[in-house]
Amino acid sequence: DTGVSQNPRHKITKRGQNVTFRCDPISEHNRLYWYRQTLGQGPEFLTYFQNEAQLEKSRLLSDRFSAERPKGSFSTLEIQRTEQGDSAMYLCASSSTNYGYTFGSGTRLTVV
Amino acid sequence: AQKVTQAQTEISVVEKEDVTLDCVYETRDTTYYLFWYKQPPSGELVFLIRRNSFDEQNEISGRYSWNFQKSTSSFNFTITASQVVDSAVYFCALSEAVIQGAQKLVFGQGTRLTINP
Repeated sequence: DTGVSQNPRHKITKRGQNVTFRCDPISEHNRLYWYRQTLGQGPEFLTYFQNEAQLEKSRLLSDRFSAERPKGSFSTLEIQRTEQGDSAMYLCASSSTNYGYTFGSGTRLTVV
Repeated sequence: AQKVTQAQTEISVVEKEDVTLDCVYETRDTTYYLFWYKQPPSGELVFLIRRNSFDEQNEISGRYSWNFQKSTSSFNFTITASQVVDSAVYFCALSEAVIQGAQKLVFGQGTRLTINP
């Protein structure tokens, strides 16, 4: 069990550029979640996958955001035309059955 | 709607003092889970405990203990004989059932705990 892995750890991008983050969950976990955490706040739910199916999306996930989980393994979160308000920590978590989540270390995005 | 309130934004104590972090929640669900996570400066959320809504027994794990009181919708966390390594942001979270048995977590705003030597 190597835990949940997220890459990159840090990303600095210019406003208007596209960015993509990757999450590798714990291999036997079929559920994968993305959260966003802004400075001084708790994480907020963005979206959820069961295997390869994206089953729920938060209203926080605007049409500039897209997430995929091909083949039910790793997942990617893409942000198009980044804005300064997108600057945050993006956290991925995975779980199986209903046990508590395991979170990754996150990707910190800074839009300049 | 689900809501978690951590009224204490920041707490600072001297090492070896006991400290309690408060958590109050709101939910209309009869079955739910409550969690505590620790977030050190590295950013990773470290799982501390999960509590089922039907299990009101208090729990102790080393220097950590949790007091779940359904009557007051509270799930407080106490660190006994605090240590500098306990310094972190602590989050309380409440599960909300979503599709096909999965759960999403609703987090409080966190309490920044600083233990001074």
